[in-house]
Parts: sequence; C-alpha cells; structure tokens
Amino acid sequence: DTGVSQDPRHKITKRGQNVTFRCDPISEHNRLYWYRQTLGQGPEFLTYFQNEAQLEKSRLLSDRFSAERPKGSFSTLEIQRTEQGDSAMYLCASGDSRTDTQYFGPGTRLTVL
Amino acid sequence: QKEVEQDPGPLSVPEGAIVSLNCTYSNSAFQYFMWYRQYSRKGPELLMYTYSSGNKEDGRFTAQVDKSSKYISLFIRDSQPSDSATYLCAMRAGGSQGNLIFGKGTKLSVKP
Repeated sequence: DTGVSQDPRHKITKRGQNVTFRCDPISEHNRLYWYRQTLGQGPEFLTYFQNEAQLEKSRLLSDRFSAERPKGSFSTLEIQRTEQGDSAMYLCASGDSRTDTQYFGPGTRLTVL
Repeated sequence: QKEVEQDPGPLSVPEGAIVSLNCTYSNSAFQYFMWYRQYSRKGPELLMYTYSSGNKEDGRFTAQVDKSSKYISLFIRDSQPSDSATYLCAMRAGGSQGNLIFGKGTKLSVKP
C-alpha cells in the first residue's frame, strides 16, 4: 500500500454518460499526476498538479476530460460523454518533490459499454 | 519510433534464475530512470530509482543505466514466484517536474 487511494476501483458506464474519479494522495506530497493505462501498454501521462495549480496537460486530454485539485489536496478527474475508447485503467500518482519520485494508487478501471 | 522501447515478453524463467530486463530510449534529455513492478489489475509499485548513469543495488534488485548507449537494465537475482509480474521502465528529462514516459512493460513469470 503506497498510501495513495482512488475511488471507485471499478466503474462500468454506458456510452455518453459522465463519470468522475477521485484520488487522495499522500498528505505531505504537493504533486499529483493522472495517467491512463490500456491493456498491454505502459501508463500514459494525462495531467499534473502542483498544489492546486494544473501545470501540464497532455494532448491526450481532450476537452471531454477535466481535472481539478481544490485546495491542493484530493483530485478529481471527470470524463464527459464517455466513449468506448475511454475504457482503461486511470491511475493517480502522488509526487514527492524532495526525491522526484511518484507513487501510484491502485487505479480506477473504467469500462464503457 | 517510440521514445521508450521495451520488449513485452512474456519471459518465463525457473525459480532461482537471474532475470535481466531491459529498455532502450531515444531522448538524450532523459536523466531520471525508474523501474516499477505491476501485479495484475494493480497500480505500479516503485522498485528502483536512478539518476543519470551508473548502478544501484537494493537487495535482489540491481538497476543499471548506460546513458551513452541509451540503455537501462534491471537484474533480479534468485528470482521467486512472487516476482511474477509486469515490469515497467519509466524515465523523464532533467529539470522536468512532470510526466514519466513508460515502456510497454515486460511480463515475467517465475516458475517454481
């Protein structure tokens, strides 16, 4: 257990529905990352926060995706109008700025029917 | 050509064998190199973290980085069935606060 929690662990939804995932990072870490991982691939970067500021976004993050980190604590990732291609594992990583290391949560597995 | 190349395997070895896992990369700006272990349907777990070139040892695990060849390796000594997992290499550029670039992962199976 890395101390990073994600909720829910699994989500099944129908195409066109909106979904929201939550990540609670390690409390003393000020950096938070979202990645997406599909079967047989490594994680791909989506976006990054330092405290409450969203500092970097991948071109993978279409306008249907939005992420927030109010007050620099937990973060949410919302996907609007889900598509079947959004089916993946969504991983959150908590970043320790002192050591430049990232610790991953267990992930949220999304299935879009 | 992808920035990070990793043979997906699968790799099957007998218990007690020495395992060698490798990645190559193309971006000479990469300075931070990591190995993560991922069990099925779980999040990646950080195993080794190395800055720039050289070796780092932690128990049965040794990480090597050869920046001149753009090649990194992870060695596992006295492999155990519990080492069966997917091993992901990851790296990022110096001065970057941000994202890691991952290989596809190598699936390892250690047979008793």
